[in-house]
Amino acid sequence: SQQGEEDPQALSIQEGENATMNCSYKTSINNLQWYRQNSGRGLVHLILIRSNEREKHSGRLRVTLDTSKKSSSLLITASRAADTASYFCATDGGAQKLVFGQGTRLTINP
Amino acid sequence: GAVVSQHPSRVICKSGTSVKIECRSLDFQATTMFWYRQFPKQSLMLMATSNEGSKATYEQGVEKDKFLINHASLTLSTLTVTSAHPEDSSFYICSARDLGVPSEAFFGQGTRLTVV
Repeated sequence: SQQGEEDPQALSIQEGENATMNCSYKTSINNLQWYRQNSGRGLVHLILIRSNEREKHSGRLRVTLDTSKKSSSLLITASRAADTASYFCATDGGAQKLVFGQGTRLTINP
Repeated sequence: GAVVSQHPSRVICKSGTSVKIECRSLDFQATTMFWYRQFPKQSLMLMATSNEGSKATYEQGVEKDKFLINHASLTLSTLTVTSAHPEDSSFYICSARDLGVPSEAFFGQGTRLTVV
């Protein structure tokens, strides 16, 4: 079952701008992960944030986690055309299985 | 990083036939693999958890006899779509997680199944 909801469902911005995507979930989690998917391809792991962490950075990515609100955000700074893809959050509540959000389709216009 | 290889990447089959999709972890042992299904512009729906040496655990609503999963070794899981119908056409993706929690999941490239 899918428990995550992401917004926006689609986002189109100009190259160089920042892109922010949000994810909400319903149950308790051990960690939350963000993945990227290019059209028709598998998923690539971007970043993992544990339930006791509030913010994490990786290159141009910044992820926040608010467990009290059961929400997370992914910020991509200084976007590039190559960042065009779908982005999914996934929650890990145990038993090793990930439950994915609905995803945000990000388009970066050159 | 770890690599998961999924084969074939695309397959077209006739209604009523069966199709087997393979998922291999190339440089780590995966006691557990996962099979997902994805419709166009939608999220990944977990179908089943594949456990090495034991029966797969299916999510609610997934037909066990329709989607046969075999996890014969620590590096190979297979999904067989039996008696395929056009509505089974979809994108199927496998993933595996290396030992250690928390850990990222590694995904295969996916298989585009078209049933005609």
